[in-house]
Parts: sequence; structure tokens; C-alpha cells
Amino acid sequence: DAGVTQSPTHLIKTRGQQVTLRCSPKSGHDTVSWYQQALGQGPQFIFQYYEEEERQRGNFPDRFSGHQFPNYSSELNVNALLLGDSALYLCASSWRGQGRARYTEAFFGQGTRLTVV
Amino acid sequence: AQRVTQPEKLLSVFKGAPVELKCNYSYSGSPELFWYVQYSRQRLQLLLRHISRESIKGFTADLNKGETSFHLKKPFAQEEDSAMYYCALSGLGGGTSYGKLTFGQGTILTVHP
Repeated sequence: DAGVTQSPTHLIKTRGQQVTLRCSPKSGHDTVSWYQQALGQGPQFIFQYYEEEERQRGNFPDRFSGHQFPNYSSELNVNALLLGDSALYLCASSWRGQGRARYTEAFFGQGTRLTVV
Repeated sequence: AQRVTQPEKLLSVFKGAPVELKCNYSYSGSPELFWYVQYSRQRLQLLLRHISRESIKGFTADLNKGETSFHLKKPFAQEEDSAMYYCALSGLGGGTSYGKLTFGQGTILTVHP
């Protein structure tokens, strides 16, 4: 099991452009969360997907959107990029199971380093 | 609102010395507290969680609800403990905070030989 995989590893975009980041969860996991980690800061929760729906959202504008596919993989989309969106974007997967609110360990990917110029 | 505070950005100790990484939190419900670690060039990984009450790699952490703290301790630090440590909080047993991790800013621990 490769664990949580994210692509691409690095990305450079221009202000105003749009970007899509991808995440494949650890085998057996059904929940994907996205985090933004600015330089020198701890990761900040963007949103979480379970059963192909956004279940929770952090304090991020609507420019940040996502999707979860039937195979549990997920995408993070950011529109109208700003310089301040430059950060490491982390994906974390965990298992929630159907209808049971029970925590299981979140496994993190290596992240995608986004630079907006 | 939930918040995690790690007051020390940097912490340096010598090998064999005790180490304590501080973490304070605020949360209105029942929290679950974690310590995550990131070694050089590796991904973020779970070190321990308060519910399991385990000692991992010699580290322990006790949840003090009165002081709203979850400090990480090790009696004898080793060079391989040098890493970035994050304290994190999640809502316990469902509710709107379930699964959402709130992280502190992190503490870089350096253990000198």
C-alpha cells in the first residue's frame, strides 16, 4: 500500500489562474480531508469529503472547492489564484464507515507545493 | 471555536535531557487531542493520541482538562527525536467537529549530541 498519494508534487501558477490538486487515499479509507499549510504555520483545515459530499468546511472562501469520486479519490480546486494561496496543500485520509461517527487515524500525503507568481 | 496553542516555536535540548513540548487548547465540547510529528523529508504522521494512553518512542502526553493542556514529555531525549511536532485537536464522538483536525503552529525540537 503506497499510503496517501498526491499529485503533482510541485506546481507554479500565475495569479488569476485555476489549479486542480489530486489525492488518492490510503487503501480502505473512505474519508478525505484537505489542509493548507503556509510557511511556518501548522496545517489549516479546508474541507472534508465523505460519501462524495463535502461534510465539513473550514474558514476558506468559495474559490476553494472540491470533489470526491466513487473510488474515494479527491480533487481540490482553487479558482482565481492569489499570491496568498502559495502554500503546501496536504491531503489526509481516514476511515469513517457508514453512519458511525468514530475517529480513526488520519494518514497524510506528502503534499503539493503550490507557488503563485 | 477550537484553538490549539504551542507557545514555543523552537526547543533545544541535549541528548539524555528531559523534554517537554507544551500544548494548550480551547474547545467547547469533548476534545480528542493528538501529537503529530514530521521528521526531516517525511510526511506528517501520528505520534500519539490521548485516548489510547500509550507511550510511543518514549513519549507520553496527559490530557489535563482543568488546565486545558496536553503537553508532550520524554524523560531522556534522543538525537532521532529531532523533528517538528504539532499538537492537534478534533471533536470527539461525532458532531460538527468530527474528523476536523485543528493544529497548533508547531514546535521544532532539536536534540544536540
